[in-house]
Amino acid sequence: AAGVIQSPRHLIKEKRETATLKCYPIPRHDTVYWYQQGPGQDPQFLISFYEKMQSDKGSIPDRFSAQQFSDYHSELNMSSLELGDSALYFCASTLLQDRGADTQYFGPGTRLTVL
Amino acid sequence: AQSVTQLGSHVSVSEGALVLLRCNYSSSVPPYLFWYVQYPNQGLQLLLKYTSAATLVKGINGFEAEFKKSETSFHLTKPSAHMSDAAEYFCAVNRAAGNKLTFGGGTRVLVKP
Repeated sequence: AAGVIQSPRHLIKEKRETATLKCYPIPRHDTVYWYQQGPGQDPQFLISFYEKMQSDKGSIPDRFSAQQFSDYHSELNMSSLELGDSALYFCASTLLQDRGADTQYFGPGTRLTVL
Repeated sequence: AQSVTQLGSHVSVSEGALVLLRCNYSSSVPPYLFWYVQYPNQGLQLLLKYTSAATLVKGINGFEAEFKKSETSFHLTKPSAHMSDAAEYFCAVNRAAGNKLTFGGGTRVLVKP
């Protein structure tokens, strides 16, 4: 079965640079979520999109922005990178049917290292 | 605010022994509860979820969890641990009105031969 695809899998950037993470949801899924998992931490919700509109927002820095495109893939743009942005970034997708009970399917993550 | 607490950041069990991972939630309304497993350098995989249909939920890989409203708990168990169960396990909660998952701190399971 098709899974959530994230690219790149690994990314190394310097401080103050920008990074773009991409997420391709499972086909026919209409909702995408982004989570950040710091070293030894649990995943923290950043932002979500439903039918290309932002649906919820968590602890996402103002330096980050995201969007969902017409083909439902999503991109997380990160600017003025800081050392503390080094983390594993997960994308998850779902087909919204039973709000709250729907299973979120996670991608393998993008490991961002900021030097 | 919705939250979950996992008791014990590390659990060590012998192969063949019972695995018990504890999760307590705080919520003013019945939540949706999930258990995810994360293997090293991989994404999160759903083990099972509670959506009010049944209090005892069976999941993949022999895991099950029981929702106890009186104890606000959703503990995860497996009767007999296997070496392949070594991973990190996250309990998560999702409100009916919201989409985002709120995760507990995670419990890392070590299985000894």
